[in-house]
Amino acid sequence: EAGVTQFPSHSVIEKGQTVTLRCDPISGHDNLYWYRRVMGKEIKFLLHFVKESKQDESGMPNNRFLAERTGGTYSTLKVQPAELEDSGVYFCASSQRGSSSEQYFGPGTRLTVT
Amino acid sequence: SQQGEEDPQALSIQEGENATMNCSYKTSINNLQWYRQNSGRGLVHLILIRSNEREKHSGRLRVTLDTSKKSSSLLITASRAADTASYFCATVGGSNYKLTFGKGTLLTVNP
Repeated sequence: EAGVTQFPSHSVIEKGQTVTLRCDPISGHDNLYWYRRVMGKEIKFLLHFVKESKQDESGMPNNRFLAERTGGTYSTLKVQPAELEDSGVYFCASSQRGSSSEQYFGPGTRLTVT
Repeated sequence: SQQGEEDPQALSIQEGENATMNCSYKTSINNLQWYRQNSGRGLVHLILIRSNEREKHSGRLRVTLDTSKKSSSLLITASRAADTASYFCATVGGSNYKLTFGKGTLLTVNP
């Protein structure tokens, strides 16, 4: 069974540009999560999808961040326009059930905004 | 408030020794999970312990949970160089599904 995959593994962009991160969850997992870790800080929750619906987006930092999950399969996270403080590692995770189950993480996308 | 604060921040031991990492949290939880991250890689789920459980084992891993003290510990027995990684505890509270992470413990196992 394939794990959670993320693309790209690393992205370097200039301030003001747009970047789109993609996450493919484990097949059959209805729950999909985005997290990020900025330098020196703990991993923070961004948002949670159940199928194609946003269940909780309380962790999204501002309206420059847009997450979608069309058809309830893969998800994208767009940052537009990117700022320096957006640099960090963005992780995606998926789980089969809800709060009682473990989340399986992808390898992350390292975003560097210069 | 910050959940899941690990202690110590860094731990260096010799191969074969046991490693103990602690985690404290502030609010009530549904479950607590431990994850490992090797340098530059993704997070790997190690073990999940529910709020009504006190101890759980998985291979060389032993996790305890004390909800009265809002703390958990992860014990790795007979450590190996391959155990070198960052270890994170993460909590899930109430009806929320999101994981709340601490900053992690960097474990170095010297051969």
